[in-house]
This record gives sequence, structure tokens and C-alpha cells, in this order.
Amino acid sequence: GESVGLHLPTLSVQEGDNSIINCAYSNSASDYFIWYKQESGKGPQFIIDIRSNMDKRQGQRVTVLLNKTVKHLSLQIAATQPGDSAVYFCAEISGGATNKLIFGTGTLLAVQP
Amino acid sequence: ETGVTQSPTHLIKTRGQQVTLRCSSQSGHNTVSWYQQALGQGPQFIFQYYREEENGRGNFPPRFSGLQFPNYSSELNVNALELDDSALYLCASSPGQGAKSPTGELFFGEGSRLTVL
Repeated sequence: GESVGLHLPTLSVQEGDNSIINCAYSNSASDYFIWYKQESGKGPQFIIDIRSNMDKRQGQRVTVLLNKTVKHLSLQIAATQPGDSAVYFCAEISGGATNKLIFGTGTLLAVQP
Repeated sequence: ETGVTQSPTHLIKTRGQQVTLRCSSQSGHNTVSWYQQALGQGPQFIFQYYREEENGRGNFPPRFSGLQFPNYSSELNVNALELDDSALYLCASSPGQGAKSPTGELFFGEGSRLTVL
């Protein structure tokens, strides 16, 4: 079946370093991807999205890269801060009229002071 | 704050019981989706409601049902609870039928944590 997976379940970085969280997706028909941040006890929070006609999109301190050739997605966080500590999910949508997001398992980002 | 509110925040039930979870969508949003998130996992899509009609469903049995009201608030009902139904249930609203809506994002509530004993 369709799936979105993450290469690393946990990532530990030093405050101020850059973080890279990776994600592989299996459905080549997926045309929309979103990164979510989920802090303990809270719902997922939208970070950044990218459509399949793009390969890079930048936000504030975050950049998403999409490589459709190898079906790979990454989230880069610049100058990681303690407040960035959370679980990060990538999610994909493969068309249709619903908001059916297919989430991966998640990566726990731990920022060390 | 996303403007999506869910209730109750926590609840405990026993096997075989029924539960109703509630969600108030963000003002102006006519689409509500429900997700189940087991501990340590990503959210799994249950179903979506658009203008009071179910218009998409994930791989969940019929004992998971829902409603959407004219004010776009929504309920998730689960009958004959099983131990594996223990999870965080998330509601998300959006301003359009598809996730590829003008803003392209879903607004999630904080969730309802259900424990089935």
C-alpha cells in the first residue's frame, strides 16, 4: 500500500546547528507534500508545503526539498533552537478531493543546549 | 492557536462501550477531517466531512462513524470500543473540500486522548 516513511526515528542536534530531517514516499502519483511539527500534548502544526511541480521551497528558517526522481523529501531547519524540539512528520496527498493525508511515523528532533 | 477546539481532552472507557468526540472547526471552514494517532505513530485518516456529507473514508470499520452539523462542527462516534482504539483522536478543519485549498493546509485541534481499558 501507499506509505510515507522516515529514515531516522530520532535526531539529536546542538543548538545553533542546522537540522536535516529526511522522508521517503512510495507513491509516485503524490503531488502535494506537507511537513508538520507536533509538540508533546498538541496537535500537528503546519510548517511548510511543496507541490510536485517544485523542487525547493523556503520559509522562515525552514527549507523543503523535493526529489521526485528518488521520491525523497527533506526538511532543513537553520540555526536550530530549543523550541524546535518536537516530532516532525512528512505527509503526502495523492490527488482526489479529500484531505486524506498519509503521514509517516515521525522523527523526534532533540535540540541540545 | 488554530481555532479548532476538541472535547473532551481526555477520557477513559471500557471495552464494548461507545464514545462521542466533538470538534468545532475554525470559523469559515466547511471541511472537517478526523485522524487517529496511536502512541508513537503518525496520524491515520479516518474520514472527512464536507457540507454535512462524508466524502472520503480511510481504512476504518463501520463502527467508526461521524456527523457534521450545519455550523460545520463535527462528531466522531466509535461503537463497541476495543483496546486498540486507545489513541489520540485529532480533528482538522480546512476552508475547502480538498487539502489543495487556497491555503493548502489543515488546521488541527489539540486532540482527544481516549484510553480503553
